[in-house]
Amino acid sequence: AQKITQTQPGMFVQEKEAVTLDCTYDTSDPSYGLFWYKQPSSGEMIFLIYQGSYDQQNATEGRYSLNFQKARKSANLVISASQLGDSAMYFCAMIETSGSRLTFGEGTQLTVNP
Amino acid sequence: DSGVTQTPKHLITATGQRVTLRCSPRSGDLSVYWYQQSLDQGLQFLIQYYNGEERAKGNILERFSAQQFPDLHSELNLSSLELGDSALYFCASSPWTIPVYEQYFGPGTRLTVT
Repeated sequence: AQKITQTQPGMFVQEKEAVTLDCTYDTSDPSYGLFWYKQPSSGEMIFLIYQGSYDQQNATEGRYSLNFQKARKSANLVISASQLGDSAMYFCAMIETSGSRLTFGEGTQLTVNP
Repeated sequence: DSGVTQTPKHLITATGQRVTLRCSPRSGDLSVYWYQQSLDQGLQFLIQYYNGEERAKGNILERFSAQQFPDLHSELNLSSLELGDSALYFCASSPWTIPVYEQYFGPGTRLTVT
């Protein structure tokens, strides 16, 4: 069964600095996708970035990049130049392409300090 | 705005009651997914429908049921409600049977059972 682990319940970062949010996963399926979602205090789930298991390059979307290390089964999210609006809960999620459900980690609460 | 709509936004009801949550997917999306986010269980996949047919089932209780109608909107029915059913219920949609790239989440329905 697929499993996602986020070991950082909370993280703090200074405005304008970079921060890395950790995510490790476990799956026996060779084909899978990895996602990061942001959930602000208002509750909605905002898609940030996606990495496919066969993608050769790390995914990037603006200030977000995904540090994908397949052998280590890790998919860390890097946020560059943090902004106050980045304060939110961040979820790592995975889908095996043989299945159809997203499995989420427990989340990391990021606080950006001015 | 993801294009996925959910109603109502908030719902407060008593134990033993029955409620219906409604979801309209993005235009053209055939798959609808339901997720439950609670403090003790985190984000959990409940069920998926694709073009009116049940496609995958997760940790959905027998007291819960769902359906997808010909116009592709979906309803999640929760009956014999218990205090532990209090949670944020998300609907998500994607164009395909499996969310190869991403699922688009609605704003959620916050259910409070008193």
